[in-house]
Amino acid sequence: DQQVKQNSPSLSVQEGRISILNCDYTNSMFDYFLWYKKYPAEGPTFLISISSIKDKNEDGRFTVFLNKSAKHLSLHIVPSQPGDSAVYFCAASAGSAGNMLTFGGGTRLMVKP
Amino acid sequence: EAGVVQSPRYKIIEKKQPVAFWCNPISGHNTLYWYRQNLGQGPELLIRYENEEAVDDSQLPKDRFSAERLKGVDSTLKIQPAELGDSAVYLCASSLMRTANIQYFGAGTRLSVL
Repeated sequence: DQQVKQNSPSLSVQEGRISILNCDYTNSMFDYFLWYKKYPAEGPTFLISISSIKDKNEDGRFTVFLNKSAKHLSLHIVPSQPGDSAVYFCAASAGSAGNMLTFGGGTRLMVKP
Repeated sequence: EAGVVQSPRYKIIEKKQPVAFWCNPISGHNTLYWYRQNLGQGPELLIRYENEEAVDDSQLPKDRFSAERLKGVDSTLKIQPAELGDSAVYLCASSLMRTANIQYFGAGTRLSVL
């Protein structure tokens, strides 16, 4: 049973436009959510996170939105750049489980020049 | 500051052979994780260490997998014997403390079992 799902395996966006990556979760105990970016042959790199006490967190071009009632979060990248092309993983953790991360399957973002 | 270092980067072995992966976490990080990432999927936790103690190994297939973290720093993950289904990328991550949600990952070891 996948507790964190990224239903879009890939997304293609034009440079300068907005990229929206989505993530759904089922475990109501999750209270902290993260996005990681992964380039080929590299490990995942932390991008941005959000606590369940917030509904939005912004860092430069990256904004994460959390909708707890829908158990849904999204990552917005504005404006998208070719260097943003990578696989993006959504991850979640529950405070009661230490900081064990449960990952989604990833979404491959391709930003076209 | 050096990141999480893993070696080797790639390993090709025949089934039933043993294999070992090594991880050096970020200096000062007392929590260390081993993940397995199958093709097209997200990483899945195998084992978590706090210092030298394995505090969560419920997902580690203990019949063939073993891990150790001597002196609470470097860690080794071993598979013996390897099976075809073990082909995956094995990722090591570390974090500053148990309650730190941000984990820092190494580049991983890509294992191919033939």
